[in-house]
Parts: sequence; structure tokens; C-alpha cells
Amino acid sequence: NAGVTQTPKFQVLKTGQSMTLQCAQDMNHEYMSWYRQDPGMGLRLIHYSVGAGITDQGEVPNGYNVSRSTTEDFPLRLLSAAPSQTSVYFCASNPSTQINSPLHFGNGTRPTVT
Amino acid sequence: DAKTTQPNSMESNEEEPVHLPCNHSPISGTDSIHWYRPLPSQGPEYVIHGLTSNVNNRMASLAIAEDRKSSTLILHRAALRDAAVYYCILRDVSNTGKLIFGQGTTLQVKP
Repeated sequence: NAGVTQTPKFQVLKTGQSMTLQCAQDMNHEYMSWYRQDPGMGLRLIHYSVGAGITDQGEVPNGYNVSRSTTEDFPLRLLSAAPSQTSVYFCASNPSTQINSPLHFGNGTRPTVT
Repeated sequence: DAKTTQPNSMESNEEEPVHLPCNHSPISGTDSIHWYRPLPSQGPEYVIHGLTSNVNNRMASLAIAEDRKSSTLILHRAALRDAAVYYCILRDVSNTGKLIFGQGTTLQVKP
């Protein structure tokens, strides 16, 4: 079982460039979300989706864009990368918002913005 | 958004039990209590979750106060590999179901 797959694992980009972080899950999960993890700040929710065609903002959405055209994929876009967006990004999924079950996390994507 | 309060850090000796507290007040009837810990070079690892009753699994136990305003993650015999940041999170399954992580507790395990 692949679970939640994130690509790429690492990326270096320059300030102002755009980048798409890919997230795919093969478990037919309705709920998907993106977090960033920074030292001393824990994990912060960027955007989430409760199903195909539905997205919403989390705690720190500025500078990021998402779309959910299919159940399987939930890409995160850095629109104009800034050094402050250097972080570890985790994608997570769950069967449904109505099901009290744990989140499944990917292994992370680590962009470095210079 | 529901938030949780945890101590910043705790220490334990190897092979001794560890009790990690979490306050989550206010809490609604549809909030479930989840615990996660990050793994090196991987995403956060699910530890345990519960709604009203105490829960046990192969990793840990979760003791939930009767008023549900606090809970305790119990590691029965701390191992060196259990040293990590432990996040206590509330999830509202009646609404968006989103998980908001707090600061977490950094657990140090001494040999």
C-alpha cells in the first residue's frame, strides 16, 4: 500500500519562483490537508479539503494555493516563493471528516528558498 | 478553534512509565482527542486517540478525564526511541474535522 505519497522530497528554488508540492493518496480518502513544520512552532495547518472540488484555509494560508480536482490528488503551490517558506511540508489524509480515525501523513517535502 | 495546553518538556528514565498531560478546555461533545509524534525524516506518527472512554493500544494508553477537559498519554515503559515531541490535538468531527496542532511536549528519555 502506497498510502500518502509526496513529491519531490527536496527542492531548492530562488525567491520569486513558483513551485508545486505534489500529494497523492490511494486510499480513497475524502479529507486531505497540508501542514508546515518549523522549529519551535509545531505543525501549522495551511489548507485542507473535505472532498473533491472543496478547499478551505487553515491557520497560515497566505502565499499558498491549493486545488482538489480529484479525490486522489491535493497539490500545494508556492505562488512566489519567499525564504520564509523554507520549511518541511507534510500532506495528510483521512477517510472522512465524519469518521473519528487518525490522519495518515506523507514523508514530507523540504523546499529551500534562497 | 479548539486548542490544547501541554508542558513544554518532560523527562523520564528508561523503562519507567511516563504520563504526558494535556489540557483541552473548552471541549465540545464532538471533539475527539488525538496524540501524534513526529518521526525522523517522516511525517508525524499516530499514537492514539479517544472520545470519552480510556483507550489502550500497543503503543500507549490514553486516560480521559470524566469532564473531558484533560487527558493523559501513558507510555508504560519508556524506551530511548520514545524520545520525541508529543502533540495532543482536538479534532471536531462534526464540522470540518481539521486537526490543529499545538506546541507539543518534548519528552527526553534518559538511559
